[in-house]
Amino acid sequence: DQQVKQNSPSLSVQEGRISILNCDYTNSMFDYFLWYKKYPAEGPTFLISISSIKDKNEDGRFTVFLNKSAKHLSLHIVPSQPGDSAVYFCAASAWSNYQLIWGAGTKLIIKP
Amino acid sequence: DAGVTQSPTHLIKTRGQQVTLRCSPKSGHDTVSWYQQALGQGPQFIFQYYEEEERQRGNFPDRFSGHQFPNYSSELNVNALLLGDSALYLCASSLSQLAGGLTDTQYFGPGTRLTVL
Repeated sequence: DQQVKQNSPSLSVQEGRISILNCDYTNSMFDYFLWYKKYPAEGPTFLISISSIKDKNEDGRFTVFLNKSAKHLSLHIVPSQPGDSAVYFCAASAWSNYQLIWGAGTKLIIKP
Repeated sequence: DAGVTQSPTHLIKTRGQQVTLRCSPKSGHDTVSWYQQALGQGPQFIFQYYEEEERQRGNFPDRFSGHQFPNYSSELNVNALLLGDSALYLCASSLSQLAGGLTDTQYFGPGTRLTVL
């Protein structure tokens, strides 16, 4: 039973345009959500997070939106750059639960 | 400031053997979590160590065990290896919040690629 789902295995976006990566979850106990980026042969790198008390969090080119009623979050990257090409993982956790539950990842390809 | 380091980088074992993977956390971090990442999937939580004890465990059999040392470094041991144990094993460190709950960002090492033949 996948509690965190990333339904798009890959996404191709033109350089300079907006990249939108989506994530859905089923567990209503989740209250903290994170996005990680992973390059080949490296461990995941933290990008941005959002608490369930918010619906938006921004950090430079990266913005995460949370829609609790739809159990959906998205990561927007504007503008997309070649260095953004990587696999992006969505992860979630519930208060007082120490484990992160991860999606399967979306491979983002930025075309020049 | 060194980040999270893991050793070895790659490892090849045969079925039935035992393996030990090592992790040194980021400076100042006291909590270590281990994850297994199979090809094409997201990481799966194995367990988390804090104050030299296993604080929480994911859905993994007892063949998977761990240890945390006083300097916060950690080991992951897997006994009686199966072909299905072939994966990337990731270690993540964080600073624990005494009030409980995952409130601090986990920082990951590059992983150990384990191949079981």
